[in-house]
Amino acid sequence: DTGVSQDPRHKITKRGQNVTFRCDPISEHNRLYWYRQTLGQGPEFLTYFQNEAQLEKSRLLSDRFSAERPKGSFSTLEIQRTEQGDSAMYLCASTGPSTGELFFGEGSRLTVL
Amino acid sequence: AQTVTQSQPEMSVQEAETVTLSCTYDTSESDYYLFWYKQPPSRQMILVIRQEAYKQQNATENRFSVNFQKAAKSFSLKISDSQLGDAAMYFCASTLLPNSAQKLVFGQGTRLTINP
Repeated sequence: DTGVSQDPRHKITKRGQNVTFRCDPISEHNRLYWYRQTLGQGPEFLTYFQNEAQLEKSRLLSDRFSAERPKGSFSTLEIQRTEQGDSAMYLCASTGPSTGELFFGEGSRLTVL
Repeated sequence: AQTVTQSQPEMSVQEAETVTLSCTYDTSESDYYLFWYKQPPSRQMILVIRQEAYKQQNATENRFSVNFQKAAKSFSLKISDSQLGDAAMYFCASTLLPNSAQKLVFGQGTRLTINP
């Protein structure tokens, strides 16, 4: 069973650097979501894709953030000019038209020094 | 806008006992879905149980059941016969859209400890 996989699991970077996270959803799932979870809080919605189309972006997603899903399969989330406030767990989740739940990956933890 | 509130940051229970986690939500919509998710340490979040707002019957999944009070906008999770493997963060979540998996709004979470 290949669930949702995320890479890297942990990224430590210096302020001002760019980082990119990758998410591979469950293969038959057409919807893919990104959430951000800070310590002690619940996940917050960032954006989602249906196939390759990015259908909605949260106000949390500043101009420094960009997400893509070029072929409707894997997705990337890039953060440019990282700030310490970007430190969080970035969760990816996917779902399909016949499923009634989100399947989450283990997350990519970002630490900005 | 939807909001979800979990007022218990931490709960603990003796193994084999029953524990109830609280959740309240606020929405002006009549059609929505409610969820409880479990997030074990360093592992992915998994769905525990789901409730459709139009259904009056409370959802049950083995040792997990909910008490859904629509008028009070309350959605508590009861875990019976608690097991060590139940230790985790538990998140209550809701979504407006009929396709239940879209744009979940999460509460702050409750950390559940199981005492052997």
